[in-house]
Amino acid sequence: DAKTTQPTSMDCAEGRAANLPCNHSTISGNEYVYWYRQIHSQGPQYIIHGLKNNETNEMASLIITEDRKSSTLILPHATLRDTAVYYCIVRGYSTLTFGKGTMLLVSP
Amino acid sequence: DARVTQTPRHKVTEMGQEVTMRCQPILGHNTVFWYRQTMMQGLELLAYFRNRAPLDDSGMPKDRFSAEMPDATLATLKIQPSEPRDSAVYFCASGLVRGQPQHFGDGTRLSIL
Repeated sequence: DAKTTQPTSMDCAEGRAANLPCNHSTISGNEYVYWYRQIHSQGPQYIIHGLKNNETNEMASLIITEDRKSSTLILPHATLRDTAVYYCIVRGYSTLTFGKGTMLLVSP
Repeated sequence: DARVTQTPRHKVTEMGQEVTMRCQPILGHNTVFWYRQTMMQGLELLAYFRNRAPLDDSGMPKDRFSAEMPDATLATLKIQPSEPRDSAVYFCASGLVRGQPQHFGDGTRLSIL
């Protein structure tokens, strides 16, 4: 699976949009981009995934660049409960490989 | 919402004891994964099954760990004998085909004294 690069940490004010970047420059054509998050003491929670097109669901939006070498997860109105570690994962035929993720801290 | 269920949620035992962790995957999911999370190593894949058959257990210490799926509704991970370095949170996840997400349970927090 392709390797991903994410910032170690980010801050966001409550109510504002949180934009979490991810670089995956070695992604291949059949690999999906997945986003999970892990809130302290809980299991990883699936957020969203995509192949080529931008995706939106009730939790977030995923913007994938045209060359697919990077993506951005957008939480449109961050709340304190969105404080978590966010993992960007590129997944092909094998399993999920978790990196260190981005620690997002949402503050009042 | 359908959930992956793991039992027990917490386990404290002494070194040398057998530990069994259980996982009930989401009904209808045909792929089950076991992960381990520690502060030092993060989330690591231990093993996974598809249609109850083991596909990859290369992440698992073979001498003391074993993973099985006795039926489609139960996956087990056993450690015998347990050691202090096995202390970690063990997560089970289940999923369907490649293009669909895995869903995780809330884990078993294991402490080996």
